[in-house]
Amino acid sequence: QLQLQESGPGLVKPSETLSLSCNVSGGSISNSNYFWGWLRQPPGKGPECIGMIYYSGSTHYNPSLKSRVTISMDTSKNQFSLELSSVTAADTAVYYCASVYGGGYVDLWGQGTLVTVSS
Amino acid sequence: AIQLTQSPSSLSASVGDRVTLTCRASQGINSALAWYQQKPGKAPKLLISDASSLESGVPSRFSGSGFGTDFTLTISSLQPEDFATYYCQQFNSYPQRELTFGGGTKVEIK
Repeated sequence: QLQLQESGPGLVKPSETLSLSCNVSGGSISNSNYFWGWLRQPPGKGPECIGMIYYSGSTHYNPSLKSRVTISMDTSKNQFSLELSSVTAADTAVYYCASVYGGGYVDLWGQGTLVTVSS
Repeated sequence: AIQLTQSPSSLSASVGDRVTLTCRASQGINSALAWYQQKPGKAPKLLISDASSLESGVPSRFSGSGFGTDFTLTISSLQPEDFATYYCQQFNSYPQRELTFGGGTKVEIK
């Protein structure tokens, strides 16, 4: 059974880079049926897709975040990662890693990790 | 970018009620729409994909319909465990792959 688990710091200072990793177990990130995505949800708001990566390495980013986002993958570790640079308080949110079937629907979410941007 | 507008933003209903939630897209998306249920402190859960395909394990009291710009999620007989926030989500792949969510509808107990 596929499982996703986020890891990374829960507190990041303004202007620094937020870095999170997602460990995938119970399945391979080289599965061609899936994209692997990062989403976030600010307190009291709806989810927002940050971006996705395909097993080929191709990436797709939210245009509003594209200049600050890098998503990468390590097939040897069955992991994928998120870097979001120059963070501000507006980036405070619960961050989820997820499997995106066919690049369209999020059929499995990680449990989520709260990242707070504060000095 | 395609925008999704959900209505109402919240509603109060009783156990056993039939409830209909609406999602409108700013431009036609064929049937590329999903519905999710989210309970407090939990990740969203996929209920319906392709506008009307019920995910495995989701109770049959949930149903989705629509095509183009107007979509609905119906709960035929509201159960206590259905009180939650519901989000619609669309995806498109041209000119770039993009997923966007609606603002949500919170279903509360009357």
